[in-house]
Amino acid sequence: NAGVTQTPKFQVLKTGQSMTLQCAQDMNHEYMSWYRQDPGMGLRLIHYSVGAGITDQGEVPNGYNVSRSTTEDFPLRLLSAAPSQTSVYFCASSYSTGNEKLFFGSGTQLSVL
Amino acid sequence: RKEVEQDPGPFNVPEGATVAFNCTYSNSASQSFFWYRQDCRKEPKLLMSVYSSGNEDGRFTAQLNRASQYISLLIRDSKLSDSATYLCVVNRPPGGGNKLTFGTGTQLKVEL
Repeated sequence: NAGVTQTPKFQVLKTGQSMTLQCAQDMNHEYMSWYRQDPGMGLRLIHYSVGAGITDQGEVPNGYNVSRSTTEDFPLRLLSAAPSQTSVYFCASSYSTGNEKLFFGSGTQLSVL
Repeated sequence: RKEVEQDPGPFNVPEGATVAFNCTYSNSASQSFFWYRQDCRKEPKLLMSVYSSGNEDGRFTAQLNRASQYISLLIRDSKLSDSATYLCVVNRPPGGGNKLTFGTGTQLKVEL
């Protein structure tokens, strides 16, 4: 029972590079989301999806893109990495949009130099 | 004022002690409240939901005070394995997974 799987666990980028953080869940969850966690700040929502083909912006969406072509997968793309995007990223899912019990992936530590 | 505020700690307590954390929230319309636990460099995991009547799960008790807009978490008989950061989470109506505000967390260190 894998739950929410995130890859990679660690990544170092140079300013201006692009990359995709992968997230997959095997629980048939309708709702998926991406958060970033920075020191001294709570987790902040980047983007979320309430189902395949539907995505929306969270609190801090600038510099990130998402897509949801299947129920299982919700990749996060950094278009042109900036040092301000150095953070720990978590993917999370829940059974339904109205369900607030989130299951988190193990996180990706990203450094942008 | 932050939407959700927590004392960052750390709270250093001996094994077996009772420790309590408080969390205040600013949106009086919030209706759902949670405590998540986050171990160092790990993902957050739901510890317990907080109900209006208060609720208990083993050594853990959560309370809600709507009048003063705070929730609390009480841990009795602390174990070394309780060492972690405890995140207070509050919904922003109308609710849903995309309407959660996370506190910055309170760090607990349980020592021998």
